[in-house]
Amino acid sequence: QKEVEQDPGPLSVPEGAIVSLNCTYSNSAFQYFMWYRQYSRKGPELLMYTYSSGNKEDGRFTAQVDKSSKYISLFIRDSQPSDSATYLCAMSAGGGFKTIFGAGTRLFVKA
Amino acid sequence: DGGITQSPKYLFRKEGQNVTLSCEQNLNHDAMYWYRQDPGQGLRLIYYSQIVNDFQKGDIAEGYSVSREKKESFPLTVTSAQKNPTAFYLCASSRLAGDEQFFGPGTRLTVL
Repeated sequence: QKEVEQDPGPLSVPEGAIVSLNCTYSNSAFQYFMWYRQYSRKGPELLMYTYSSGNKEDGRFTAQVDKSSKYISLFIRDSQPSDSATYLCAMSAGGGFKTIFGAGTRLFVKA
Repeated sequence: DGGITQSPKYLFRKEGQNVTLSCEQNLNHDAMYWYRQDPGQGLRLIYYSQIVNDFQKGDIAEGYSVSREKKESFPLTVTSAQKNPTAFYLCASSRLAGDEQFFGPGTRLTVL
């Protein structure tokens, strides 16, 4: 079993839809959770960074962490064609431990 | 502007040759990382360095080598021992190991 599981998609939605992207994990020591957006042939860009459980909002993006279920989500409101990319989740126990990345979910937002 | 630069953007190599990929950061980060990304796959850690003059093997270090002589630089050498080197290589850095990582634009290596 992988430490981090992420559905590879692809996920196709119409413009304006609410998108939900998810990851599950097995290591209860993870405390720091990240979401990255990666456009084709580019480096990943950090979108959200959260510590422990709870929600964090930044514009159209909301990150949610449920440590009891070992489940994290990224919601994108009012999705735009420019949101079409691969979204990677990542998590770490901090304190010098490695960051583990999910395989990424490909998202297509149709105009 | 603070950030991470990688060069070259595209690199072509003949079989049997060693090549070195450059990674420089001006974020004053202590930790730096090298990842390999293959089509449809996630990031696989090659090497990482938590501090100058120190580095550790990641999950797929065979056929690769690194150095960390300066805080801002972490070059990766892909040696002829790497059996399947064609891939997209990403360099990243973080303030401390385990913190959020910031990525460079990547180098696409193709072996001819």
